[in-house]
Amino acid sequence: SQQGEEDPQALSIQEGENATMNCSYKTSINNLQWYRQNSGRGLVHLILIRSNEREKHSGRLRVTLDTSKKSSSLLITASRAADTASYFCATDARGGSNYKLTFGKGTLLTVNP
Amino acid sequence: DSGVTQTPKHLITATGQRVTLRCSPRSGDLSVYWYQQSLDQGLQFLIQYYNGEERAKGNILERFSAQQFPDLHSELNLSSLELGDSALYFCASRGGPGTDTQYFGPGTRLTVL
Repeated sequence: SQQGEEDPQALSIQEGENATMNCSYKTSINNLQWYRQNSGRGLVHLILIRSNEREKHSGRLRVTLDTSKKSSSLLITASRAADTASYFCATDARGGSNYKLTFGKGTLLTVNP
Repeated sequence: DSGVTQTPKHLITATGQRVTLRCSPRSGDLSVYWYQQSLDQGLQFLIQYYNGEERAKGNILERFSAQQFPDLHSELNLSSLELGDSALYFCASRGGPGTDTQYFGPGTRLTVL
């Protein structure tokens, strides 16, 4: 079963706008990671946020984590056509020692030029 | 480029056949993870190896097996293939204790006809 559930399933915006994607999960976690996947290609690691962190930035990316609500959000500011991709959240469940990731089904982001 | 390599990129075979997928982790990474991505199941963890030993199993079928060799490369063997095994197969590698990020290879697209 999928631990993470992204919302929305699909998002279409214009270049320059901000894109926000949400992820909810079910069990306690060690950390939460966001990945990007261009159509049919490999997953690119974007950012990792640990369970004791609330917000993290990396370039145009901002990730928040609310462990009380078991949710995270990924904000991409000033989006570009090249940001068009599927975005996945992945969780590493607390108590595990093997760091295996459980992925959500992803949000398909389309940035129109 | 994540530093993780996978071969072959594409594989087309028939039902009942057996194939081997190969993965070379990033230099120095001891952990290798295998994931399957299909349209209906999404991204699912299959199995993990650490320094040659199996560490965790996920939703891996009995027809599938894997191993990690002394040079740390890993192979995923899929046998008695069925149409439903058609998917993207990714491997990911992770560094030592305290490093949580998994770096994914470009994947092998398996098509079973």
